[in-house]
Amino acid sequence: NAGVTQTPKFQVLKTGQSMTLQCAQDMNHNSMYWYRQDPGMGLRLIYYSASEGTTDKGEVPNGYNVSRLNKREFSLRLESAAPSQTSVYFCASRLHGPSNQPQHFGDGTRLSIL
Amino acid sequence: GENVEQHPSTLSVQEGDSAVIKCTYSDSASNYFPWYKQELGKGPQLIIDIRSNVGEKKDQRIAVTLNKTAKHFSLHITETQPEDSAVYFCAAIGFSGGYNKLIFGAGTRLAVHP
Repeated sequence: NAGVTQTPKFQVLKTGQSMTLQCAQDMNHNSMYWYRQDPGMGLRLIYYSASEGTTDKGEVPNGYNVSRLNKREFSLRLESAAPSQTSVYFCASRLHGPSNQPQHFGDGTRLSIL
Repeated sequence: GENVEQHPSTLSVQEGDSAVIKCTYSDSASNYFPWYKQELGKGPQLIIDIRSNVGEKKDQRIAVTLNKTAKHFSLHITETQPEDSAVYFCAAIGFSGGYNKLIFGAGTRLAVHP
């Protein structure tokens, strides 16, 4: 039982390149999330998907797009990478239901934009 | 907007001592407060959570207390061990913007010295 799996673990891009970060969960969770983590700022929500077929913007969506491919997979795309998008990206999932259910995180993708 | 403030940002203790991390939140409707531990190179891992219908919850050496009136919650780690060294994040559920979301504190880097 792998939980939440993110690929790749590390990536270096040049400004203007595009990139898709992959996330898959095997816990049969309904909701999935993408966060970015920057020093001293905790985790900030980029996009989320409450259920298969739906996606919505979070706190910092600009410069990103997402696809909920099926119940297991939720991808994050950078169409034209910028240095400000250098960060660690975390995917999380949660069983649907009351808001007081925990989110489970992957181990992150460390992305550097030169 | 909603926010969660976390203190201290760094905490250094001797092995065997206790560690306390404090958080305050702004959304009076928040009813769920998880704590996450993040080790180097890993994603945040849920260690304990508390819901608004209880004031305290314990799990072995860790405990969380909640004061809804003051909008304040704390993590207590007793008999600290070197393996407790990590970054700890508090979070609270927020309800603005049309969706439930976790608002994270900025994190506390805990160092336990042998």
